[in-house]
Amino acid sequence: SFELTQPSSVSVSPGQTASIDCSGDNLGNRYASWYQQKPGQSPVLVIYQDTKRPSGIPERFSGSNSANTATLTIRGTQAMDEADYYCQTWDTNIWVFGGGTKLTVL
Amino acid sequence: EVQLVQSGAEVKKPGESLTVSCRASGYTFTEFWIGWVRQMPGKGLEWMGVIYVDDSDTRYSPSFQGQVTLSVDKSINTAHLQWNSLKASDTAMYYCARLHGGNPIEYYFDFWGQGTLVTVSS
Repeated sequence: SFELTQPSSVSVSPGQTASIDCSGDNLGNRYASWYQQKPGQSPVLVIYQDTKRPSGIPERFSGSNSANTATLTIRGTQAMDEADYYCQTWDTNIWVFGGGTKLTVL
Repeated sequence: EVQLVQSGAEVKKPGESLTVSCRASGYTFTEFWIGWVRQMPGKGLEWMGVIYVDDSDTRYSPSFQGQVTLSVDKSINTAHLQWNSLKASDTAMYYCARLHGGNPIEYYFDFWGQGTLVTVSS
């Protein structure tokens, strides 16, 4: 079965750039999406189809996908960006989530 | 405004049945798939299955095939997640989400319900 691997945690200082990787076999040949989940809240879509931002998502969020790795980048990270982040893709009738990355802003 | 509103929290005993609901509004219900996602306490997101509202075409995760049933009631714009016999290990938050995209490889979950907490305990 297809699997997506994320680091369990990433730390970043306020105002700096945070990068969260998501790896999977030939992931670059599929689309990746990213979801933000804050404690006690539902997930929110922040990036879809590798690089696109939904309406209302700040420009500091961006995405890329190549070879075996998709990356979520947050430029000028703010305290409000502290959350769990999940990548997701599709593989022949299976929707797959990564294990999630806890982003700490300190 | 697209909204998915789920039914309230449930406390059940092992062996009992349960249906969780997800009522959609703000878009044409029959033109999209609805997905269900499990989140066990302190854990990550797990895809359970999706259902195409118009014809009830359903795809299940191998992990949940035979364990749950997805259905829709188009007359009231509502999707359902059903268990026939709950286990303690079904204790989790369950989310419905709308699946958006032109073809499967493009699909992503663009709107999510608020979640339904299911607790199964004797």
